[in-house]
Amino acid sequence: GAVVSQHPSWVICKSGTSVKIECRSLDFQATTMFWYRQFPKQSLMLMATSNEGSKATYEQGVEKDKFLINHASLTLSTLTVTSAHPEDSSFYICSNSGSPYEQYFGPGTRLTVT
Amino acid sequence: AQTVTQSQPEMSVQEAETVTLSCTYDTSESDYYLFWYKQPPSRQMILVIRQEAYKQQNATENRFSVNFQKAAKSFSLKISDSQLGDAAMYFCAYNRETSGSRLTFGEGTQLTVNP
Repeated sequence: GAVVSQHPSWVICKSGTSVKIECRSLDFQATTMFWYRQFPKQSLMLMATSNEGSKATYEQGVEKDKFLINHASLTLSTLTVTSAHPEDSSFYICSNSGSPYEQYFGPGTRLTVT
Repeated sequence: AQTVTQSQPEMSVQEAETVTLSCTYDTSESDYYLFWYKQPPSRQMILVIRQEAYKQQNATENRFSVNFQKAAKSFSLKISDSQLGDAAMYFCAYNRETSGSRLTFGEGTQLTVNP
């Protein structure tokens, strides 16, 4: 299956700073990628759909000015958490959409905001 | 909107025994895909098994099989000969048969395998 990488795997930042998470589709050109957030012992919650060359589509309740998504190429999507606060601490997972019957997930990024 | 429900937050099974995880979903679509994903402590999402709604035959992957009841909108996962490495969070998921569509996940079931 397609390989998706994320970087960094774990990041600690201070409250008020911004942090960028990269999601790379290593062997597949992904026009669509998805960003999820997962709190401990909970399910994955879709934050936004990242579309190559156009604006991301955000789910209801997700602040687009806080979670900036850029999908400038077919292999890279980035999520920037701006002015991070402790409540933004979570596990962030990206996936690419190879087809409706096949999605490949990155290993996730643990964000800790102190 | 589609919804996926997993009514068992936690399940446990003895090593080598069989366990069934339940999942129901709601949709008005006739063609779609259903999945079971495993998330071990590493938190990497791993596809366990997939079912196309147009197929009547239940999918099977080694020790993993599903019981797909389309009319009842039920999609359970059976794990046979459970192994310690099967311990994980299991998520049932639904996807429409449309390119670029996103997965809808259930709440998850935490499976413990006792030695």
